[in-house]
Amino acid sequence: QQKVQQSPESLTVSEGAMASLNCTFSDGTSDNFRWYRQHSGKGLEVLVSIFSDGEKEEGRFTAHLNRASLHVSLHIREPQPSDSAVYLCAMSMPGGYKVVFGSGTRLLVSP
Amino acid sequence: EAAVTQSPRNKVTVTGGNVTLSCRQTNSHNYMYWYRQDTGHGLRLIHYSYGAGNLQIGDVPDGYKATRTTQEDFFLLLELASPSQTSLYFCASSGSDWGPYAEQFFGPGTRLTVL
Repeated sequence: QQKVQQSPESLTVSEGAMASLNCTFSDGTSDNFRWYRQHSGKGLEVLVSIFSDGEKEEGRFTAHLNRASLHVSLHIREPQPSDSAVYLCAMSMPGGYKVVFGSGTRLLVSP
Repeated sequence: EAAVTQSPRNKVTVTGGNVTLSCRQTNSHNYMYWYRQDTGHGLRLIHYSYGAGNLQIGDVPDGYKATRTTQEDFFLLLELASPSQTSLYFCASSGSDWGPYAEQFFGPGTRLTVL
């Protein structure tokens, strides 16, 4: 069964410092990857979708995908306290609409 | 932006109780999903559907039924609720015209507690 492992489980950064989150997936057949943000008590909002190796930037959020190393990362530039949330990575499986989610990284941005 | 609503937002029931969670999306998406979210497990797919009357089994279907009555409405049914079903439940939808890469839009979640 396909799996997605996220690290770290929790991360504290100071406002303005770069935050880096990581995901390792179990196989290289996934079609695409997304990073979601979930504020406490809220639903999921998509931040970045990435379909091919390399980098994809959406505002302050940049995703890096390396299929050979089964790794996708998210970098948050100049994080703000409002970015404090749980971040989930997800991979879509080919041939259908199934999405496998990681267990999340809890980010705290201190002022 | 896609609008997905869920009701109720919070629900408490007792073991053996009967619970129905409701989801409605208003963006003409064909695909709808029910997930549960638990600490340490992330989101796990319970059931999904690609149209009215259609139902597909997800990864953790035991103890759950689902019905898709219209394109807009997708229900999750717990007929004999157990404490192991205490969780945060999310509904999501996606448009089929984007192919297998469709982005899923999530509702705000329903927190269910089974005592």
